Amino acid sequence: AQKVTQAQTEISVVEKEDVTLDCVYETRDTTYYLFWYKQPPSGELVFLIRRNSFDEQNEISGRYSWNFQKSTSSFNFTITASQVVDSAVYFCALSGVYNQGGKLIFGQGTELSVKP
Amino acid sequence: EAQVTQNPRYLITVTGKKLTVTCSQNMNHEYMSWYRQDPGLGLRQIYYSMNVEVTDKGDVPEGYKVSRKEKRNFPLILESPSPNQTSLYFCASSLQQDSNQPQHFGDGTRLSIL
Repeated sequence: AQKVTQAQTEISVVEKEDVTLDCVYETRDTTYYLFWYKQPPSGELVFLIRRNSFDEQNEISGRYSWNFQKSTSSFNFTITASQVVDSAVYFCALSGVYNQGGKLIFGQGTELSVKP
Repeated sequence: EAQVTQNPRYLITVTGKKLTVTCSQNMNHEYMSWYRQDPGLGLRQIYYSMNVEVTDKGDVPEGYKVSRKEKRNFPLILESPSPNQTSLYFCASSLQQDSNQPQHFGDGTRLSIL
């Protein structure tokens, strides 16, 4: 079975703080893909990153960075120097090569609130 | 502009009154799917389609129907809506049924069934 767990339901930080959103996944697939999506208050889903299971290099994009560790089945997301515009719900998702219908398995989401 | 368009964005209706949520994409994508988003559950797949006239159930298909008569359109049909179908719905598409493809999501449809 495949499963994604985002244990942090809500996080509140003050602007300019760093914040890490945790994501732990379960899968029996040897080839799989991990994603992060952002859902701002307006409700749409915005794709942030895709990582395949063979690539454990960490990635940095501006203030965003991702730490993929197969040994702990985790794909954590860090926002450095958070800003009010980062306030959103963030979803981690998993898709496997042998996954039925290319389905994305989503975590429960973490609601991030960045206060000025 | 590449996009997935859902209509309506918001709908309040009553139990048992048939409704259709439309979804259209302009990217010539083969793969389309529907998800519902509920608090504490994230998004769950309802139905998906790998191409025209090819559809299959996702994780939570009960109470829903879909059709794929044209490549660009993938409507979600609630024949007899019930209050437990009150939710936020997303249509998504990707180039192929390939798990490494990021899915493009519509802006969502918020349904309230009274």
